[in-house]
Amino acid sequence: NAGVMQNPRHLVRRRGQEARLRCSPMKGHSHVYWYRQLPEEGLKFMVYLQKENIIDESGMPKERFSAEFPKEGPSILRIQQVVRGDSAAYFCASSPRAGQGNQPQHFGDGTRLSIL
Amino acid sequence: AQKVTQAQTEISVVEKEDVTLDCVYETRDTTYYLFWYKQPPSGELVFLIRRNSFDEQNEISGRYSWNFQKSTSSFNFTITASQVVDSAVYFCALSEEGDSNYQLIWGAGTKLIIKP
Repeated sequence: NAGVMQNPRHLVRRRGQEARLRCSPMKGHSHVYWYRQLPEEGLKFMVYLQKENIIDESGMPKERFSAEFPKEGPSILRIQQVVRGDSAAYFCASSPRAGQGNQPQHFGDGTRLSIL
Repeated sequence: AQKVTQAQTEISVVEKEDVTLDCVYETRDTTYYLFWYKQPPSGELVFLIRRNSFDEQNEISGRYSWNFQKSTSSFNFTITASQVVDSAVYFCALSEEGDSNYQLIWGAGTKLIIKP
């Protein structure tokens, strides 16, 4: 499967724990985007990364959330000291270049994070 | 500011009926892209269509058709002869050509229920 791979598909954490969400982009894609979908809502942009660089993190909460896309390996979205309000579906998308012109974003199946 | 409005929160029809999902967008850009995604109960996002702002031709793909009207800033989606498998949440999204052209702006979604 050459698509965007996210794991785990479901993640359960207790309040105060850390959550790590992984995203492997499509082969040949060096641009990764994370979106959050709260229950009954559309997706909201969180962060855009290229290899080893955060390009735009304007949609990501300033505290407890961080993202990285290392030279080797998947992109990681990390949420520290999770709270109930972090319960959501987190989607990762990738593209070979930035923008939507000829490069639509390809989405993974998402990680459903549940906070007990 | 850019915005996507899907005024229909939920639509319920009987199988084989035609149904139209509305999408109204706001943007100041002259170049932009519009998308429809399907999210079935299993939760993944299924890409349906992307349309750029310079192409106002309506599109038909099997039982699906899209009506793009720049004059009313609408990009409506019609399913003809609906089937139970069409039951899903459908999202309309927008991206602009500009510094943040990688961001997808999403509507809140329309939940479509097709009754047998």
